[in-house]
Amino acid sequence: DTAVSQTPKYLVTQMGNDKSIKCEQNLGHDTMYWYKQDSKKFLKIMFSYNNKELIINETVPNRFSPKSPDKAHLNLHINSLELGDSAVYFCASSHSGRPQYEQYFGPGTRLTVT
Amino acid sequence: AQSVTQLGSHVSVSEGALVLLRCNYSSSVPPYLFWYVQYPNQGLQLLLKYTSAATLVKGINGFEAEFKKSETSFHLTKPSAHMSDAAEYFCAVSDGGATNKLIFGTGTLLAVQP
Repeated sequence: DTAVSQTPKYLVTQMGNDKSIKCEQNLGHDTMYWYKQDSKKFLKIMFSYNNKELIINETVPNRFSPKSPDKAHLNLHINSLELGDSAVYFCASSHSGRPQYEQYFGPGTRLTVT
Repeated sequence: AQSVTQLGSHVSVSEGALVLLRCNYSSSVPPYLFWYVQYPNQGLQLLLKYTSAATLVKGINGFEAEFKKSETSFHLTKPSAHMSDAAEYFCAVSDGGATNKLIFGTGTLLAVQP
């Protein structure tokens, strides 16, 4: 069984379009995250939700809007896509409250904006 | 604020040789440290973690890491490299707060030569 899944795996779109990436976890975790990995493989946190409440909102353009309909799902919607949005986006999940709990990552969504 | 520095963006070893990937951290609180591995076109997989229980931590696939507070280091080692170890390796520190935000190093690409 897949622990953290993301759809789609690949996303190719044109500048100016709006797109969404979906994430689901079946681990019973209460916290979910979105990370962006750029072309140099650098990973940076974007957002985090705990029990459907936004708890991390890094310096991300407001064209990016996360939504968590329930604890097991965290979606990322991106408006007016730009070339610089091209990256691999990873979803992750963990238990909350204790920093020693590791995060489990999904397989990633490779977004290419042309 | 927490940060992680990985020395050496590329490391190449021969099959059967010792693997040593370096990670130094900076943390204003007792750190929780993680090593993740990323195989090509895949998500991140946890190798091991330090949560203050023991300074020498054993992980999957024969990897281990030693926490050295005096040197603020958490280097990853494996006695004998295998071709299947070729991947990108990331060291990360948790911010220790309620959000469990992970701060990643810039990664080290390990190449294993036959």
